[in-house]
Amino acid sequence: DAGITQSPRYKITETGRQVTLMCHQTWSHSYMFWYRQDLGHGLRLIYYSAAADITDKGEVPDGYVVSRSKTENFPLTLESATRSQTSVYFCASSESGISQPQHFGDGTRLSIL
Amino acid sequence: ELKVEQNPLFLSMQEGKNYTIYCNYSTTSDRLYWYRQDPGKSLESLFVLLSNGAVKQEGRLMASLDTKARLSTLHITAAVHDLSATYFCAVVRIRASLGMNRDDKIIFGKGTRLHILP
Repeated sequence: DAGITQSPRYKITETGRQVTLMCHQTWSHSYMFWYRQDLGHGLRLIYYSAAADITDKGEVPDGYVVSRSKTENFPLTLESATRSQTSVYFCASSESGISQPQHFGDGTRLSIL
Repeated sequence: ELKVEQNPLFLSMQEGKNYTIYCNYSTTSDRLYWYRQDPGKSLESLFVLLSNGAVKQEGRLMASLDTKARLSTLHITAAVHDLSATYFCAVVRIRASLGMNRDDKIIFGKGTRLHILP
């Protein structure tokens, strides 16, 4: 089935560790996005990618690294996790950026102790 | 700077009642989305509002957009328990002539957690 898959669904790690969240989509959408969702906030855009090897910062990029070597995958890496990065992370995709609604994955709940 | 204020943030209501969720934003926008999120689930697109006076309806939900007032509303008619969820508005500003660039913005409201009592 076509869709967008995030893994893992839940992750607990410690401060200072590196952690990578995976995102895979089967629609062949050009654009992919990473958001974080925190209590008391709406979703905030971390990074987005317009195509393979093309990425750009969103509103809250500090502390995160992304890559997109293949169109279908868009991993998000926290190189040295901090407690403030405890959040629910959503990956999304669309064919034409934010000019149309995005399709979202089920999210990864990340806890940093 | 584009800011979005959504209210109320929490709403508990009885089945059969009507209510409205408000989404105010601070600068001109190019479109506005409404999403629904069930607990522990992803966001599902409900409506896309493109122009002033736009009105979209799906079942018991109706969304409207007033670009002059910088206000969108999501109206719930005769609420039923199945509509319990968190609803987000997202305001979009597009500057790129093609595709997307970092001057484009999508800002989500904080969400309205709707709890409908049977």
